[in-house]
Amino acid sequence: EADIYQTPRYLVIGTGKKITLECSQTMGHDKMYWYQQDPGMELHLIHYSYGVNSTEKGDLSSESTVSRIRTEHFPLTLESARPSHTSQYLCASSDLNPMSYNEQFFGPGTRLTVL
Amino acid sequence: GDSVTQMEGPVTLSEEAFLTINCTYTATGYPSLFWYVQYPGEGLQLLLKATKADDKGSNKGFEATYRKETTSFHLEKGSVQVSDSAVYFCALSENRDDKIIFGKGTRLHILP
Repeated sequence: EADIYQTPRYLVIGTGKKITLECSQTMGHDKMYWYQQDPGMELHLIHYSYGVNSTEKGDLSSESTVSRIRTEHFPLTLESARPSHTSQYLCASSDLNPMSYNEQFFGPGTRLTVL
Repeated sequence: GDSVTQMEGPVTLSEEAFLTINCTYTATGYPSLFWYVQYPGEGLQLLLKATKADDKGSNKGFEATYRKETTSFHLEKGSVQVSDSAVYFCALSENRDDKIIFGKGTRLHILP
């Protein structure tokens, strides 16, 4: 079954730790995205990718970094986590085919708490 | 630039009530329009979409019609259930772009 996965679902860590949030999809989609969702529910695009070796910054500045070495995998890394990074992180993917109308498929999210 | 404005929540209704969540948009071209739903503790799921003017998207009893003349895409359901409690996002995408622009979300509470 085609799907999009995120691990871990919940993460509580201390300040200064390095973390990587994993995102994988089995749909063969070229485009992938990372969103940060604040407690007020609003979604902010922080990174996206058009395909392997492509990464772009989104509309909201973020201290995180991403990589895209394989089509199906789009991990997000924080080198030194801070309490201000506490948030819900959502990964999504979409097809390059124009007939998809940019419909995005979302993973279940990672809820990150930095103490 | 393109934008989406949806009614602020929370919206609280009794079971079997009629639901409307308003959504209006501004866009320079001819966008596709979407409603996504986010259930507690989950990611977003596509609820319905419409890709051109006068199209009606429908799913799970929800409907929305793409109204170009009023730049609107209001979500409606005739009889809501407790299981419809969630956050609803209106969104648009211009085919020339690779991103979706989301509204701020409307939280819906359905009371039994």
